[in-house]
Amino acid sequence: AQSVSQHNHHVILSEAASLELGCNYSYGGTVNLFWYVQYPGQHLQLLLKYFSGDPLVKGIKGFEAEFIKSKFSFNLRKPSVQWSDTAEYFCAVNAGNQGGKLIFGQGTELSVKP
Amino acid sequence: GAVVSQHPSRVICKSGTSVKIECRSLDFQATTMFWYRQFPKKSLMLMATSNEGSKATYEQGVEKDKFLINHASLTLSTLTVTSAHPEDSSFYICSASMGAGDEQFFGPGTRLTVL
Repeated sequence: AQSVSQHNHHVILSEAASLELGCNYSYGGTVNLFWYVQYPGQHLQLLLKYFSGDPLVKGIKGFEAEFIKSKFSFNLRKPSVQWSDTAEYFCAVNAGNQGGKLIFGQGTELSVKP
Repeated sequence: GAVVSQHPSRVICKSGTSVKIECRSLDFQATTMFWYRQFPKKSLMLMATSNEGSKATYEQGVEKDKFLINHASLTLSTLTVTSAHPEDSSFYICSASMGAGDEQFFGPGTRLTVL
C-alpha cells in the first residue's frame, strides 16, 4: 500500500533559522506531490506542488521543495522562518492511477519562537 | 483561489442521532469531492471519494452505511453520519477538485462531538 512518511513530528525553531521538513513516500510509479499548511484554526492551504518538470519547486511565502526521485523524497525548505510560519505542515502524494486520491503524511508541527 | 465551504463548522449531538455535513464549492464546479477525517495530532484520513452523479467510493474500513455521501450537484456534497456514537467524534474535512487528479481545495472542516 502507498504511504507517506514525515520524519519530524514537532520542530521548534527560532526566527531566521533555516527549515527543512522531510517527506518520503512509497510508490514506484508516477506521482504528484504536494505540501499543505494548516495555520491554527484555519483550513488546509496549498504551499506548493510538483507534477513534472523542474524537480525544484517554488511555492508561496518563500517555501520550496525538491523532488528526488531516486530517494522517493520531497523535502520542504525555507531559508529563514518567521513567527507567522507556525503551523502544521502536511506532505501528500497522489499516485497517477488513483483518481486524484491524496495520501497524507502524519504532519509536522512547526513552532517558531519570536 | 477556489473556495470551499462547510456547514456547520461545529455540531454537538446525542448518541444515536444522525448529523448531516454540507460541503460546497462556491466559485467553481467540483466534479470530484473528497471526505477526510482528522483525529487530534493525526493526519487526514481519506474516507471516500465522490463524483457528481455517481455513488461514492469508500476507503477500506469505512462503513458506507454509516457515512452516507451524496454528491447530487457540481457544487454540493453531503456527508451524513448515521446513528452517531461518541467514537465518531472527530474533525471532518471535505475537499473539492475540478477533475480527478486536479488540485484539491479544502473546506474549513466540521467539528463533530457526539455525547
